[in-house]
Amino acid sequence: GAVVSQHPSWVICKSGTSVKIECRSLDFQATTMFWYRQFPKQSLMLMATSNEGSKATYEQGVEKDKFLINHASLTLSTLTVTSAHPEDSSFYICSAWRIGENTEAFFGQGTRLTVV
Amino acid sequence: GQQLNQSPQSMFIQEGEDVSMNCTSSSIFNTWLWYKQDPGEGPVLLIALYKAGELTSNGRLTAQFGITRKDSFLNISASIPSDVGIYFCAGQFGNEKLTFGTGTRLTIIP
Repeated sequence: GAVVSQHPSWVICKSGTSVKIECRSLDFQATTMFWYRQFPKQSLMLMATSNEGSKATYEQGVEKDKFLINHASLTLSTLTVTSAHPEDSSFYICSAWRIGENTEAFFGQGTRLTVV
Repeated sequence: GQQLNQSPQSMFIQEGEDVSMNCTSSSIFNTWLWYKQDPGEGPVLLIALYKAGELTSNGRLTAQFGITRKDSFLNISASIPSDVGIYFCAGQFGNEKLTFGTGTRLTIIP
């Protein structure tokens, strides 16, 4: 079964509103989670690294005031798209690392955001 | 950001054929991961490789970690319709973030 759960799987919102996406690790604790954005027929582009108990690290070109990340606990990270505009419409995917003898990266199911 | 060179970009094959795809990097990694992504879904981990030269199988899938640590390949034997999707490689050095390949889109011709 899924080890990383992302919610919602899709959302439609009006321009100017904010949308929150949740990412949960189901059976392990994740001090580090990642948020990606994926455009059609393209690979995953890392937006930011979410660290439990500290500020997120954003990739170059990603507006931290627009894409708010909160890693509230060891099993939950949230991405809030603030004042969404149509150009923010995309597929957003989170990932969490399960640290053990070897580190494994698991992905959520993704969230399709459509801003109208 | 940096992306790995993954080839081929797309493949059109008949059911039952074998498939081979690879990823190359200009820098070394100590972990290679292979994922499959279905439309509208997140990537699902297929195989993880942690040692140079390692050859690992998962059912009909076989992947190898290149001896130079700069490449990896994935083979799928006797393809079936549910193999359709996009395959991504990803490399990692230490505990750094993953670097993804550009993806290989697999289509099976009836």
